[in-house]
Amino acid sequence: SYELTQPPSVSVSPGQAASITCSGDKLGDRYASWYQQKPGQSPVVVIYQDMRRPSGIPERFSGSNSGNTATLTISGTQAMDEADYYCQAWASGTVVFGGGTKLTVL
Amino acid sequence: EVQLVQSGADVKNPGESLRISCKGSGYSFPRYWISWVRQVPGRGLEWMGRIDPDDSDTNYSPSFQGHVTMSTDKSITTAYLQWSSLKASDTAIYYCARHATTAVGTHFDFWGQGTVVTVSS
Repeated sequence: SYELTQPPSVSVSPGQAASITCSGDKLGDRYASWYQQKPGQSPVVVIYQDMRRPSGIPERFSGSNSGNTATLTISGTQAMDEADYYCQAWASGTVVFGGGTKLTVL
Repeated sequence: EVQLVQSGADVKNPGESLRISCKGSGYSFPRYWISWVRQVPGRGLEWMGRIDPDDSDTNYSPSFQGHVTMSTDKSITTAYLQWSSLKASDTAIYYCARHATTAVGTHFDFWGQGTVVTVSS
C-alpha cells in the first residue's frame, strides 16, 4: 500500500521559516494537500493541489511538490502556527495521510 | 455557510452496535462526497472511506472494509457511520469531511467537529 512519510517533529524559532516534508513514491505525480490540526480541534486545510492556499489562510503558508517529496513551508513562523501538520494524497482511488509532524515554535 | 455537524460522544460496551451521524448544511448535500476519518487519541489521521451522497456509492479503505458501514439519507442531508460489533480498538475520534469536488485527487475543504467514541467494558 502507498505510504507517506513525515518527520515526527520540527522545531523553529519565531519569525524563522519552517519546512515540513512529506515523502512518497512519485508523490510529485499526484496532488498533495496539507492540514493543520491544533489540540482539541478538527483539521483545517492550509494547502491543496500542491501549492494553492484556501481563502483565509495566511500568505506565509506555501507548498511545493516534485519528485518524491512535497514540502510545506511556513515563512515568518508565528506562535499560533504551533500545531500538528498532515500531508494527504490519493493512491489507487484511496486517500492516504502522512503520519503527521508536530511543529514546535520556540 | 457550509457546516458539518456531528452527533455527540458515545460510550459503548464491546460487541454493541453504534451509528454516528454527520449533518451537512449550507450547500447541496448530494453534490459532494463525504469521507470518514479516524483519529486514535495521540495518533494521526486514518482515512476510513468515502460515500457519494447522490447514489450511495462507497469506497472503503482496506483497513476498515467489512468492519464499518457508511450510508447517507439525502432527505435529511445526513451521512452515517455504523458498526455492528464494536471493539475496544474502535475507541477514537471520528471526523466526517467533505471532499472539495467529486473526483479522485481532491482535498477535504470542510470537517465536522468530531465524535468521540469510547468502547470499554
